[in-house]
Parts: sequence; structure tokens; C-alpha cells
Amino acid sequence: EPEVTQTPSHQVTQMGQEVILRCVPISNHLYFYWYRQILGQKVEFLVSFYNNEISEKSEIFDDQFSVERPDGSNFTLKIRSTKLEDSAMYFCASSEISSGNTIYFGEGSWLTVV
Amino acid sequence: KNEVEQSPQNLTAQEGEFITINCSYSVGISALHWLQQHPGGGIVSLFMLSSGKKKHGRLIATINIQEKHSSLHITASHPRDSAVYICAVRDPGGGADGLTFGKGTHLIIQP
Repeated sequence: EPEVTQTPSHQVTQMGQEVILRCVPISNHLYFYWYRQILGQKVEFLVSFYNNEISEKSEIFDDQFSVERPDGSNFTLKIRSTKLEDSAMYFCASSEISSGNTIYFGEGSWLTVV
Repeated sequence: KNEVEQSPQNLTAQEGEFITINCSYSVGISALHWLQQHPGGGIVSLFMLSSGKKKHGRLIATINIQEKHSSLHITASHPRDSAVYICAVRDPGGGADGLTFGKGTHLIIQP
């Protein structure tokens, strides 16, 4: 079965460093998403991406964050200058079309900022 | 923007019991998702509903649009069903809107 793959599975970084989380969505999918889950809390929406641009972003997705689809297969989330509170599990997800379709999640990238 | 509430927060049951997890939301939706999160953290989609009822194996999901309520049922529960079950909704705009998640129901099925 096709799957969304994420790398790295776990990254530890120093506060202030830049981090790039990578995702390979399912190949025929058109909508891509990043979500995060701080330990013990609920999953929160960060950003959605369609047709090579951001469709929607939450209040969490401030100027520290950016997304890119550099080569037609990868979908990346960049955090420019990490803060301690950025420590969380980051999930990439994709769907074939938007509201009418199942959404597929990756296994997550666990980011620890020290 | 929707607020999503789930109940119960925690549920421990014996193997074989019939399980019901509830989800309510505050505004209209274009779709409601039931998700399963494993202890390792990975999230798997179980159902996507916009009306009526869906069944997959021992899992049944129902939604009542008028009451803004959905239920997830597990029949003949098994220890391998132990996981966090999450309700998530997409606002009526649809499009590429992100999902709004509930806090999840932590289910433990004891042998």
C-alpha cells in the first residue's frame, strides 16, 4: 500500500539552529499538510499546500516556518531558528483531493530542541 | 472554527466488550475523520465520513449531522485495539483546509 514517508524519524537540535523535516507524499496526491503534536497534547494543524503554494496556515505557522516542494516529490518543513517550544512530533500528510478523500499520515518526525 | 470534544478521555475495558467513543463538534463540517494513533505515535486513518454510517471489519462509524455528533464503535474488542482514537473535522469551506483535532480517547483493552 502506498505510504507517506518522513525523515528523519528523530532529530535533536540546539536552540537557534535551523531544521528541515522531509516528507515524500503519496505520488498521485495533490494536497499536502504539516501537523504537529506537542507531547501529551492534541494534534494541531500547521499548514496546507496545493498547486505549489500555501493554501491555509494556522497561527502557529509564523515567519519561523516555511514549506517547499522543491522537486515534485519531496515536501519539506523548515524551522529557521528553533525554540524549545518547537519540540514536538511533526506529521506530514497528503490526500488525493481535499475534503472528499482519506488523508494519509506519515509516521512522524520527533524533534527535540535542547 | 470548529471546537471538537471527545468522550471519554480514557477507557479501559475487557476483551470482547463493545466499545463506543463519542465526538461532538461546534460548527458544520465538510468531513469528519476517525484516526487511530499507535503507542509509537504513528497515525492511521480509519474512516472519513460526511453522512450516515461506515463499517470496516469490527469498526463502525456513524455521524448525525443535525446533532453535530459522531460515534466510533468497536465490536468484540481485542487487546490489539488498544490505542488513542482521535476525531478530526474539516470545516465547511473544504478545499485545502486543515483538520481540527479532538484530544483523543485513550483506549486500553485488557485480556
